[in-house]
Amino acid sequence: AQSVTQLDSHVSVSEGTPVLLRCNYSSSYSPSLFWYVQHPNKGLQLLLKYTSAATLVKGINGFEAEFKKSETSFHLTKPSAHMSDAAEYFCVVSLGGFQKLVFGTGTRLLVSP
Amino acid sequence: NAGVTQTPKFRVLKTGQSMTLLCAQDMNHEYMYWYRQDPGMGLRLIHYSVGEGTTAKGEVPDGYNVSRLKKQNFLLGLESAAPSQTSVYFCASSYGTSGAETQYFGPGTRLLVL
Repeated sequence: AQSVTQLDSHVSVSEGTPVLLRCNYSSSYSPSLFWYVQHPNKGLQLLLKYTSAATLVKGINGFEAEFKKSETSFHLTKPSAHMSDAAEYFCVVSLGGFQKLVFGTGTRLLVSP
Repeated sequence: NAGVTQTPKFRVLKTGQSMTLLCAQDMNHEYMYWYRQDPGMGLRLIHYSVGEGTTAKGEVPDGYNVSRLKKQNFLLGLESAAPSQTSVYFCASSYGTSGAETQYFGPGTRLLVL
């Protein structure tokens, strides 16, 4: 069965330092993978997605993620955190047919001045 | 384009009461979804629809019903609310079925059942 595991429930960084949010997936076939962001009291917004093209995927707001099949990972990174990046981030795998998504439990990113 | 909108934004119910949550999208999407979000559990799929007049069960369908009478609307009903249904409900829509389609989410409805 397809699933995702977000390895950290909370990540704290200082403004201007790199961000790393970790995600491992389990899938019986080549998956589609997504990162969504949720700002407080808001809906979810797509950051980026992997769909079996380039393994390094660039998203909005300077975020990127690398698909590593050998490690079954899809970690999200950003070179320099901004205060506005403080939010909850969800790693998501698609089950394919009818586009049903399986969400990770989320990682809350805290950014301090 | 308003995208995906949800009504109401917040509601308090007493146990046993009923209510309907409305989701509307103006992107002409075929697929629509209802999720619930609970602390520490991510989002879980309640029901989904692959087109007007069709609905199907997701991961946690018990206690909920849905209808898709018009392509742009997807209604989620609670016939007899229970405290376990206290949650934040999100509606989403997508265009296609490739598995790689982006889902667009509404702002959510916060429901408290006393």
